[in-house]
Amino acid sequence: KQEVTQIPAALSVPEGENLVLNCSFTDSAIYNLQWFRQDPGKGLTSLLLIQSSQREQTSGRLNASLDKSSGRSTLYIAASQPGDSATYLCAVNAGNQFYFGTGTSLTVIP
Amino acid sequence: DTGVSQDPRHKITKRGQNVTFRCDPISEHNRLYWYRQTLGQGPEFLTYFQNEAQLEKSRLLSDRFSAERPKGSFSTLEIQRTEQGDSAMYLCASSARQGLGNTIYFGEGSWLTVV
Repeated sequence: KQEVTQIPAALSVPEGENLVLNCSFTDSAIYNLQWFRQDPGKGLTSLLLIQSSQREQTSGRLNASLDKSSGRSTLYIAASQPGDSATYLCAVNAGNQFYFGTGTSLTVIP
Repeated sequence: DTGVSQDPRHKITKRGQNVTFRCDPISEHNRLYWYRQTLGQGPEFLTYFQNEAQLEKSRLLSDRFSAERPKGSFSTLEIQRTEQGDSAMYLCASSARQGLGNTIYFGEGSWLTVV
């Protein structure tokens, strides 16, 4: 069974700082990996999707990388803003389901 | 494209009662997923539909849980004889393709509190 781990569980940074969130998975046989943002009490908002054949994807201040062979992905957030405060989840698509980590809770301090 | 819609957003029920949640996926998305999420945890897979066929069910989906997707459009998730441990957010998601496929989109979730 695919196991997904996210480190750190919580992160607090001052506004403007660049930061990296980590995601690791145990089985490299994946179709794709997706990063999500979740605000308290809300559903998940898709941020970036990386296909298994890709190394990275970028959207605005976000950059996600994928190293399938080592079972790792990172989400890089540049110039963090208070509005970035949320929980960030990675999900690995393998077969008919997506396997989620427990998320990184990010707080950006103004 | 109005996104994935879930109803109701919140439900408080007494233990032993039945509850039903509805999900309307993004139109033309043939794949539909149900997940459950508890506080501080990531979503856990419950079941998956391709069109009207339920292709996979998690062991989390006990015999008190049943999901349907008649005509391959909206889906319902019913929980019978609710227990306090069923309290969670139930998330629905849809996508257009499997494998090297497209993004999975989630709804806002349906919160269930069993008292």
